[in-house]
Amino acid sequence: DTGVSQDPRHKITKRGQNVTFRCDPISEHNRLYWYRQTLGQGPEFLTYFQNEAQLEKSRLLSDRFSAERPKGSFSTLEIQRTEQGDSAMYLCASSLGGFNQPQHFGDGTRLSIL
Amino acid sequence: AQTVTQSQPEMSVQEAETVTLSCTYDTSESNYYLFWYKQPPSRQMILVIRQEAYKQQNATENRFSVNFQKAAKSFSLKISDSQLGDTAMYFCAFIITGAGSYQLTFGKGTKLSVIP
Repeated sequence: DTGVSQDPRHKITKRGQNVTFRCDPISEHNRLYWYRQTLGQGPEFLTYFQNEAQLEKSRLLSDRFSAERPKGSFSTLEIQRTEQGDSAMYLCASSLGGFNQPQHFGDGTRLSIL
Repeated sequence: AQTVTQSQPEMSVQEAETVTLSCTYDTSESNYYLFWYKQPPSRQMILVIRQEAYKQQNATENRFSVNFQKAAKSFSLKISDSQLGDTAMYFCAFIITGAGSYQLTFGKGTKLSVIP
């Protein structure tokens, strides 16, 4: 069990640029989640995949955000035309099926918008 | 709407002492799972303990135990024999079962400092 891996750890970009983050889940986990965490807050749900299918999206996920999980393995989260309010820690988690299965989190990608 | 309230933004405890972190939640659903997660400084979030809402018996994991009061929608975490490594942000969270959603709803967290 190598854990959930996220890349990059930190991303600094200018407002208006596009950014893409990658998440590699624990290999046997079929469920993958993206959360956003701002300073002083708990993580907020963004979206969820079961295998390659994106089954749920939060209202927080504006049109500028898109997530994919091709072939049900790694996932990418892209933010287009970044805004100051996008500055946050973006967390990826994965789990086995079942509501009682804990979600295992990665270290996160910290995004800073200049 | 589902919400989680952690009323203690920060707490401190002497090493080897016991501390209780409070959590209340609000949901109209009756079937759910509750979790406590720990996020050490600059490290990833890890699961501390979980509780099935349909179970009356409180969950325990070594030095960690919960006091689950379903009617009061309360889910507190007790840490016994506190250790320096327990210093972290602690988040209470829950997930509704059977509603077609797998999202965890988190509270804002409690920052726990263990003092030597």
